[in-house]
Amino acid sequence: AQSVSQHNHHVILSEAASLELGCNYSYGGTVNLFWYVQYPGQHLQLLLKYFSGDPLVKGIKGFEAEFIKSKFSFNLRKPSVQWSDTAEYFCAVNRMDSSYKLIFGSGTRLLVRP
Amino acid sequence: GAGVSQTPSNKVTEKGKYVELRCDPISGHTALYWYRQSLGQGPEFLIYFQGTGAADDSGLPNDRFFAVRPEGSVSTLKIQRTERGDSAVYLCASSSLAGGYNEQFFGPGTRLTVL
Repeated sequence: AQSVSQHNHHVILSEAASLELGCNYSYGGTVNLFWYVQYPGQHLQLLLKYFSGDPLVKGIKGFEAEFIKSKFSFNLRKPSVQWSDTAEYFCAVNRMDSSYKLIFGSGTRLLVRP
Repeated sequence: GAGVSQTPSNKVTEKGKYVELRCDPISGHTALYWYRQSLGQGPEFLIYFQGTGAADDSGLPNDRFFAVRPEGSVSTLKIQRTERGDSAVYLCASSSLAGGYNEQFFGPGTRLTVL
């Protein structure tokens, strides 16, 4: 069965540190890729998305992600985190030959210490 | 409305009871999705509507779960004979699918607790 893996379940960083969250998926066909964020007490919000074209995509709040097809990966990065980035981050995949459902990873909880 | 809304925000029920959860998608969005999120997990797909019809219901765990979208807008997720294992946050999302792009916008969820 297809799956999405987020290997880091909990990450603790100090402000200004660099961030990289891993995401790998198990499906070999064409995919759309997403990162969603859930801030404390808020609902899921889209951070960034990849549909096609340039594999390096930029999202809101200084986040970016790189799609590496050969590695089935879509890692999320931010050069310098802020306390306000404390949240849970979810990677999601949509198979293009299937319905529009999203398959989510289990999430990574990020705590940024001031 | 401005975003996806879900009611109620919290629902506490007893084992064996019937519950209905409502989702109001973004106006004009033709696609509507239901997901379930258990503690410590990512959202898990339940069902997807394109207009009034269920285009993919492969995620519904069993026949106690049913969803409708009779007029192609508001949707109701119905759970019969609730069990303690049904306790979770039920999320609704919608998308326009404009250009074939599947950007889903999520609601705040309904937290269901089955005692």
